[in-house]
Amino acid sequence: NAGVTQTPKFRVLKTGQSMTLLCAQDMNHEYMYWYRQDPGMGLRLIHYSVGEGTTAKGEVPDGYNVSRLKKQNFLLGLESAAPSQTSVYFCATSEADTQYFGPGTRLTVL
Amino acid sequence: RKEVEQDPGPFNVPEGATVAFNCTYSNSASQSFFWYRQDCRKEPKLLMSVYSSGNEDGRFTAQLNRASQYISLLIRDSKLSDSATYLCVGSNTNAGKSTFGDGTTLTVKP
Repeated sequence: NAGVTQTPKFRVLKTGQSMTLLCAQDMNHEYMYWYRQDPGMGLRLIHYSVGEGTTAKGEVPDGYNVSRLKKQNFLLGLESAAPSQTSVYFCATSEADTQYFGPGTRLTVL
Repeated sequence: RKEVEQDPGPFNVPEGATVAFNCTYSNSASQSFFWYRQDCRKEPKLLMSVYSSGNEDGRFTAQLNRASQYISLLIRDSKLSDSATYLCVGSNTNAGKSTFGDGTTLTVKP
């Protein structure tokens, strides 16, 4: 039972490159979230999904896109990476308001 | 004004000390509240839920005051292993999302 997993764990991009972060869960939770966390700061919600095939914008959605084609997977895409997107990205799932987080992806954009 | 505000600290206390963290929230739509713990470079993990009646889990006591929109966490007999960042969270069940404070950093010293 892996819980919530994220791929990749680390990535370095050049400005303008694109990439997709994958979040996978085996907890059968309906709700999934993508957050970013900058040094010394809290978590900011990028996008979230309340079920398969649905997505919604969070607090800081600009520059990101998401897809939830399967219940167990939530993908976060960066179409044209910018240095301001250097951060740690956490995926989470939830049931009854309790959130379960993946280990994070550390992204650096040069 | 942030929806969830915490004193960032840092709090530096000796082993065995009692330490209290405070948190205020401004979104009256938040229905459930939690404290999460985040170790350095790790994902947040649920520490405990917070109820109006107060709840205790070993050395940890959490309290919610809805009238004052105030949440607290008390740690008694601090251990070195309590060193971490503590995140206050308000959850809007209807909207399916949560708001995290920026965290309070605790360092327990020998």
